[in-house]
Amino acid sequence: TQLLEQSPQFLSIQEGENLTVYCNSSSVFSSLQWYRQEPGEGPVLLVTVVTGGEVKKLKRLTFQFGDARKDSSLHITAAQPGDTGLYLCAVIQANAGGTSYGKLTFGQGTILTVHP
Amino acid sequence: DAMVIQNPRYQVTQFGKPVTLSCSQTLNHNVMYWYQQKSSQAPKLLFHYYDKDFNNEADTPDNFQSRRPNTSFCFLDIRSPGLGDAAMYLCATSRTQGANEKLFFGSGTQLSVL
Repeated sequence: TQLLEQSPQFLSIQEGENLTVYCNSSSVFSSLQWYRQEPGEGPVLLVTVVTGGEVKKLKRLTFQFGDARKDSSLHITAAQPGDTGLYLCAVIQANAGGTSYGKLTFGQGTILTVHP
Repeated sequence: DAMVIQNPRYQVTQFGKPVTLSCSQTLNHNVMYWYQQKSSQAPKLLFHYYDKDFNNEADTPDNFQSRRPNTSFCFLDIRSPGLGDAAMYLCATSRTQGANEKLFFGSGTQLSVL
């Protein structure tokens, strides 16, 4: 069973359309991160959300953390071809004692393709 | 300037022939990670070092080993690569292991096994 369930897995849209990517879990997290990965490159951190209900904006990207801190969404307005890439949500897991040990676990990812 | 540098970008090896991938960092971070990422999948943690302390994930095959001779460098050794080990290998660093820690990734090494 995946710790983080991302949907959709694939998204192919036209330039100018809006889209939303979801990241869900049955676990509660102290924070959640979103990364973007371009082909042939490593993931790059976009944002960290920490507070339940928090909304963060990064230009045309809007990130929301669920009130219960179990889920998150990424909304892109007026998508552009430069937004094409793999979008990954991720959490840092705690060990059995509840202490963070820095293990970053990713969702399955959403492959976004924006056509001109 | 790149802060986490992986060499080479592309590596081709033969089935069963040992191969070493390298990673260096200019951030002076305490923690270095190795992730394996197969095509269209999320990265999967293999192991990490906190300073000189090595932490192996339970499901990482014995075929994969790592060395960290100093703060700046970390190596991934694959003793006998199989066809299933073809993947992108990502190195990452973080300052510590806090709950909101930010990881910095290198550009990866794409490994092909013939």
